[in-house]
Amino acid sequence: GNSVTQMEGPVTLSEEAFLTINCTYTATGYPSLFWYVQYPGEGLQLLLKATKADDKGSNKGFEATYRKETTSFHLEKGSVQVSDSAVYFCGLYGSGGTSYGKLTFGQGTILTVHP
Amino acid sequence: NAGVMQNPRHLVRRRGQEARLRCSPMKGHSHVYWYRQLPEEGLKFMVYLQKENIIDESGMPKERFSAEFPKEGPSILRIQQVVRGDSAAYFCASSPPPGGNEQFFGPGTRLTVL
Repeated sequence: GNSVTQMEGPVTLSEEAFLTINCTYTATGYPSLFWYVQYPGEGLQLLLKATKADDKGSNKGFEATYRKETTSFHLEKGSVQVSDSAVYFCGLYGSGGTSYGKLTFGQGTILTVHP
Repeated sequence: NAGVMQNPRHLVRRRGQEARLRCSPMKGHSHVYWYRQLPEEGLKFMVYLQKENIIDESGMPKERFSAEFPKEGPSILRIQQVVRGDSAAYFCASSPPPGGNEQFFGPGTRLTVL
């Protein structure tokens, strides 16, 4: 079945540092890939997505590129802010069959940004 | 357009009681999904419903858990005879027809079983 693996956290950075959170996946076919963000006490918010190989999703300074050859979708941001402190989830949506309707998530990476 | 609504936001139950979690999807959304987030873990798919139909319940525990999405009213996730291991955050998501990867999440219900 489908699976997503994220780098283990927590990740602690200083403001304006560069951020990378690694995400790799296993899936059959051509899944869509997502990054969601969860702020304390809240639900998940879609941060960005990519639906086919070599697509780049971007939003609020965050970027991720769908790399089919390495089955990866790493999240990057050039300069983080304190307000980026949250839990980040990499997710996958399968292209059909028994995967239909399900989002499969990684375990989440806690990011803390200090002033 | 209001987002996905879940209530209650926090629910405390004693072992053996029943828990009912409600989810009102976004306007125009007829597809609902439930996910569970156990402490220190990611979200796990539980069930996918359309109006009056269960499409996929492969992630639901076989006993004590049930879900419905009636023609009128919110979707309900029901947990009978709760145990401490049911303590988790339960998230609902919805999507417009025909369903699929554009899922919008609610704020979650945090269930604590004493």
